[in-house]
Amino acid sequence: DAEITQSPRHKITETGRQVTLACHQTWNHNNMFWYRQDLGHGLRLIHYSYGVQDTNKGEVSDGYSVSRSNTEDLPLTLESAASSQTSVYFCASSDSQLYGYTFGSGTRLTVV
Amino acid sequence: DQQVKQNSPSLSVQEGRISILNCDYTNSMFDYFLWYKKYPAEGPTFLISISSIKDKNEDGRFTVFLNKSAKHLSLHIVPSQPGDSAVYFCAASTYSGNTPLVFGKGTRLSVIA
Repeated sequence: DAEITQSPRHKITETGRQVTLACHQTWNHNNMFWYRQDLGHGLRLIHYSYGVQDTNKGEVSDGYSVSRSNTEDLPLTLESAASSQTSVYFCASSDSQLYGYTFGSGTRLTVV
Repeated sequence: DQQVKQNSPSLSVQEGRISILNCDYTNSMFDYFLWYKKYPAEGPTFLISISSIKDKNEDGRFTVFLNKSAKHLSLHIVPSQPGDSAVYFCAASTYSGNTPLVFGKGTRLSVIA
């Protein structure tokens, strides 16, 4: 069965470290997205990609970067982790807006 | 500036009764709306959608109503069941422009047995 997986599920890191969160989908979807979920803010868009070599900034992109070298993966990198980046991160993919997005199970990141 | 607003952080409903979750939007370019359901420690899952050419879409116990003039949509769940207890997110996009979904802050629904 096709799926979208995120790893790790939980991570604790120190302020200033570089961290990469993985997202891998086997749906063969062109579109991939990263959101963060925080209390009081809902889901906010960080970065997104509509295909290989395409990346775009979202609402809260500062301090984050992504790269898209193949269809299946969109890793999210925190260049220098900050406590404000403690959050739950969700990756999603889609082929068409018509059917919405398929989300991964999330990565809970704690920056200490 | 919040483009999609869910003004009720939480809602409690008795089992068997109707649950009504509300959502307002400010961007008049939005023409496609979706509801997602999220359980703890899981990713959101797609529930139901509606395009701006309709004012109602029904799927089993779930119905979404769209009032374009008021920029308001609502999700009705009838009858409510304990398994419906979750956080519900409203989302919007410009379908024709294929812009990413913009989400509201979510409403936590508790269905009491």
